[in-house]
Amino acid sequence: AQSVTQLDSQVPVFEEAPVELRCNYSSSVSVYLFWYVQYPNQGLQLLLKYLSGSTLVKGINGFEAEFNKSQTSFHLRKPSVHISDTAEYFCAVRGYSTLTFGKGTMLLVSP
Amino acid sequence: DVKVTQSSRYLVKRTGEKVFLECVQDMDHENMFWYRQDPGLGLRLIYFSYDVKMKEKGDIPEGYSVSREKKERFSLILESASTNQTSMYLCASSLNRGQYEKLFFGSGTQLSVL
Repeated sequence: AQSVTQLDSQVPVFEEAPVELRCNYSSSVSVYLFWYVQYPNQGLQLLLKYLSGSTLVKGINGFEAEFNKSQTSFHLRKPSVHISDTAEYFCAVRGYSTLTFGKGTMLLVSP
Repeated sequence: DVKVTQSSRYLVKRTGEKVFLECVQDMDHENMFWYRQDPGLGLRLIYFSYDVKMKEKGDIPEGYSVSREKKERFSLILESASTNQTSMYLCASSLNRGQYEKLFFGSGTQLSVL
């Protein structure tokens, strides 16, 4: 079975500060990992994904994530956040036939 | 761009009513999914479909059914709505089984059951 744990339900941060959103996973099949973002009153959209190859994955809007097999983690990072990054972020792991999502982390960026 | 359209943004129903939530995608995707999203619980998969007239149960199918008579349309049905089905419902689609991880989501339907 697959599962995802997002360790923080909310992360408050000031504009232009760096941020890390934490995600740990477990999987009994090949590991494919994803981060989705949900802006207010919108559906989710794909931010980035790890399927194979380089463990550092770059996504849209300046976000990146690093796959760490030994620590079973896939943390999301951005060196300098903007107000517009305020959103809910979901980590997901591919199961046999569908995605399993974490409970989400709300990133709150203030001026 | 792929567009996934959910027919209603907000819906208010009474306990015991039969409720239909409609979802249409315009990119000839094979796979379609229904999730519910609740604060603190994230997204949970209700049902999904790989093809017309095919359906598979997700993690929380109880109290729900689905219909996929045409490739572009996937309906979620609450046979007898209950208050614990008050939630945000998200529809998603993906190209085919090999691409199913790239999901395209609709904007959601916030259902309130009174």
